Amino acid sequence: AQSVTQLDSQVPVFEEAPVELRCNYSSSVSVYLFWYVQYPNQGLQLLLKYLSGSTLVKGINGFEAEFNKSQTSFHLRKPSVHISDTAEYFCAVSDRSNYKLTFGKGTLLTVNP
Amino acid sequence: DADVTQTPRNRITKTGKRIMLECSQTKGHDRMYWYRQDPGLGLRLIYYSFDVKDINKGEISDGYSVSRQAQAKFSLSLESAIPNQTALYFCATHSGSRGTGELFFGEGSRLTVL
Repeated sequence: AQSVTQLDSQVPVFEEAPVELRCNYSSSVSVYLFWYVQYPNQGLQLLLKYLSGSTLVKGINGFEAEFNKSQTSFHLRKPSVHISDTAEYFCAVSDRSNYKLTFGKGTLLTVNP
Repeated sequence: DADVTQTPRNRITKTGKRIMLECSQTKGHDRMYWYRQDPGLGLRLIYYSFDVKDINKGEISDGYSVSRQAQAKFSLSLESAIPNQTALYFCATHSGSRGTGELFFGEGSRLTVL
């Protein structure tokens, strides 16, 4: 079984400030890791993913995440946020054999002017 | 046109009614999923299907049933809707081992049970 913990349910920041959204996971097998974003009244879209290789992964809209196997973490970062980054962000883990994604409970990022 | 299409997008119904949410995809993926989203709970897996003859329960399948009518179609039914099934429902697809790991989501179906 696998699980995902997003350590912050809400993160308010000011525009142009850096942000880190934290994600820890638990799994007994090798996994794939994902961050999805959900803008208000929309579906989910993929921000970035870690499948293998370099532990620093770059995604869309200037986001990046670092896979840390020893700490079982996959934190999402952006050096300077915009108002348009206001959304809910979901971390997810997938068993490499069955492709069932387990999602965290989400972090609501609110960017204030 | 969207690759993963859900209908209806919004539905209000009454307790005890039968409801069907439909999902169709043009991505040619074998694997299809139904998730439910509730505020503060994230997304939880209801059912998933790896092909037309392979349907599996997820973590919260009680009160739901599914039908995989074809590779491209996967329907979710609530036989007798109850208020705590009020939620946002997402269909998703996955290409399996041939793909790059991620799910592709529809726009969601918002269901309200009164």
